[in-house]
Amino acid sequence: GAVVSQHPSWVICKSGTSVKIECRSLDFQATTMFWYRQFPKQSLMLMATSNEGSKATYEQGVEKDKFLINHASLTLSTLTVTSAHPEDSSFYICSARPGDREGNTIYFGEGSWLTVV
Amino acid sequence: AQTVTQSQPEMSVQEAETVTLSCTYDTSESDYYLFWYKQPPSRQMILVIRQEAYKQQNATENRFSVNFQKAAKSFSLKISDSQLGDAAMYFCAYRVGGNKLVFGAGTILRVKS
Repeated sequence: GAVVSQHPSWVICKSGTSVKIECRSLDFQATTMFWYRQFPKQSLMLMATSNEGSKATYEQGVEKDKFLINHASLTLSTLTVTSAHPEDSSFYICSARPGDREGNTIYFGEGSWLTVV
Repeated sequence: AQTVTQSQPEMSVQEAETVTLSCTYDTSESDYYLFWYKQPPSRQMILVIRQEAYKQQNATENRFSVNFQKAAKSFSLKISDSQLGDAAMYFCAYRVGGNKLVFGAGTILRVKS
């Protein structure tokens, strides 16, 4: 099946610094990628939808200047948490949809744990 | 706005028995997709089963099957012959076209040996 890879799996950063998380589709081209945040024992909260070559669409309440999303190629999207604070500590998951067919299944990365100290 | 409701925060099942997880959704669309995802402790999201709304036949994947009631906007998941490896958080999700997935709150499934 299709594979989506996230890197890093775990990252610890100091408060005030920025950290980048990568999401790659390894065996398909993804015109659309999604970024989610998940708190312990809670559901996935969509942060933004990124389309290759255009600006990301952010969900209401998500700070676009804090969570920078770039989708520069058909196989790579990045999430940069700028000026990170302890409250940004969370599990971040990306997902990707192969090609342009609406019915295509969406595949998830393994997720990335971010701890801000 | 589309919403997905999972009314069971936690469920338990004895190994080898059958369990049903409930899911209801709200939408004004006529064509959409429904999914059940499994999230084990590793946190990897695993697709369990999917259903296209235009299909009347309920989807089945080995021990997993759904009861899709379009008029009632209900989409329950039945797990037969439960195994210890089935223990996980299960999310029901809805999607229109190529758009975002809307997830329910999740149900923690515990399997007792």
